Amino acid sequence: RKEVEQDPGPFNVPEGATVAFNCTYSNSASQSFFWYRQDCRKEPKLLMSVYSSGNEDGRFTAQLNRASQYISLLIRDSKLSDSATYLCVVNGNTDKLIFGTGTRLQVFP
Amino acid sequence: GAGVSQSPSNKVTEKGKDVELRCDPISGHTALYWYRQSLGQGLEFLIYFQGNSAPDKSGLPSDRFSAERTGGSVSTLTIQRTQQEDSAVYLCASSPARGAYTEAFFGQGTRLTVV
Repeated sequence: RKEVEQDPGPFNVPEGATVAFNCTYSNSASQSFFWYRQDCRKEPKLLMSVYSSGNEDGRFTAQLNRASQYISLLIRDSKLSDSATYLCVVNGNTDKLIFGTGTRLQVFP
Repeated sequence: GAGVSQSPSNKVTEKGKDVELRCDPISGHTALYWYRQSLGQGLEFLIYFQGNSAPDKSGLPSDRFSAERTGGSVSTLTIQRTQQEDSAVYLCASSPARGAYTEAFFGQGTRLTVV
């Protein structure tokens, strides 16, 4: 089983739609969780951290479910500019950050 | 302040030649990662340095690949006898001291083309 697994997509959604991505992780001892965003031909950048209580940043909501070992990202009112690849990141043993392979989102007009 | 710096930004090399890729992490960051990313693919972990601990080399694809980190700062990734399948973007990231919620910051990458 991969340490971090994501559906590669692509998710094709119209502007204004709500879309959700899930990511599962295998290490029950993981303590830190993040969502990164990667635009085409650019380096990944932090989108948001994922806290135990869940957190929201504008149109973006992140949730953590420790019992089932998954994290989620919800994007409301999708914009064309949200088109990107979203990477799930979890810390493993020795604090090494482990990146999922990403979920591609394409928002169309 | 300065972010993670990688050089060169682009490198074209002939098959069979050796190449060195450089990464200057953010000052004071103890963790340093190397990844590679082929076109349209996800990040492939190569190696992880954390402080003075032995590096995690579990992602290096063959013994042609090696990396070192001098003085806990600058890192060099060396690929010997390059092959066409080594063509990819090589990304470096650094992260502050260990602890919860210490994010990684990426450089802009080195695009390696082996011809």
